[in-house]
Amino acid sequence: SAVISQKPSRDICQRGTSLTIQCQVDSQVTMMFWYRQQPGQSLTLIATANQGSEATYESGFVIDKFPISRPNLTFSTLTVSNMSPEDSSIYLCSVGWGNTGELFFGEGSRLTVL
Amino acid sequence: AQSVTQLGSHVSVSEGALVLLRCNYSSSVPPYLFWYVQYPNQGLQLLLKYTTGATLVKGINGFEAEFKKSETSFHLTKPSAHMSDAAEYFCAVSDRGGSYIPTFGRGTSLIVHP
Repeated sequence: SAVISQKPSRDICQRGTSLTIQCQVDSQVTMMFWYRQQPGQSLTLIATANQGSEATYESGFVIDKFPISRPNLTFSTLTVSNMSPEDSSIYLCSVGWGNTGELFFGEGSRLTVL
Repeated sequence: AQSVTQLGSHVSVSEGALVLLRCNYSSSVPPYLFWYVQYPNQGLQLLLKYTTGATLVKGINGFEAEFKKSETSFHLTKPSAHMSDAAEYFCAVSDRGGSYIPTFGRGTSLIVHP
């Protein structure tokens, strides 16, 4: 298993600002993912964070809006840039385990944009 | 691409009653199947998974699920609901031999009445 710590756990931000969310894993993992969970909705994959290379973004998400860093096998950051109220969501860091698609999740970062 | 359907965005049961949360998937090839639970203000936690072998899978907290290939279903059950089971439940699937990145259902909110 893996223990994942996310910071901040919640924040209230002003429109037009940026926020960086940190994700720390207690073991080295190959696959790290960032998900968005909008109010009352399911999880949407933003991107796969690749160690040593650029993140792989899903359709509808771009690097300028959601830059991601993955400096090593235990850490990643997601930045939400130039925020608007539509960015108010829970952002979840997760890591893959094994080769079945099983995921471990962080506690989530609850973002409110005013 | 895989799709996952969870029937009912909300399910309400009385404490002690049977819990049944429905999940159907679209793939013609049986995928890997998962149920996750999300308690308020927390991340997702794996309840149980089906990868191979016995089609009736037991998970944590008394939950179980049965993979039925003929019905492309993976419904989650618990014989007797407890107040502490109130949470959001997500069904997820990932392709065998694919990227292993799971697709999540929209989630079902379980409400337990005293």
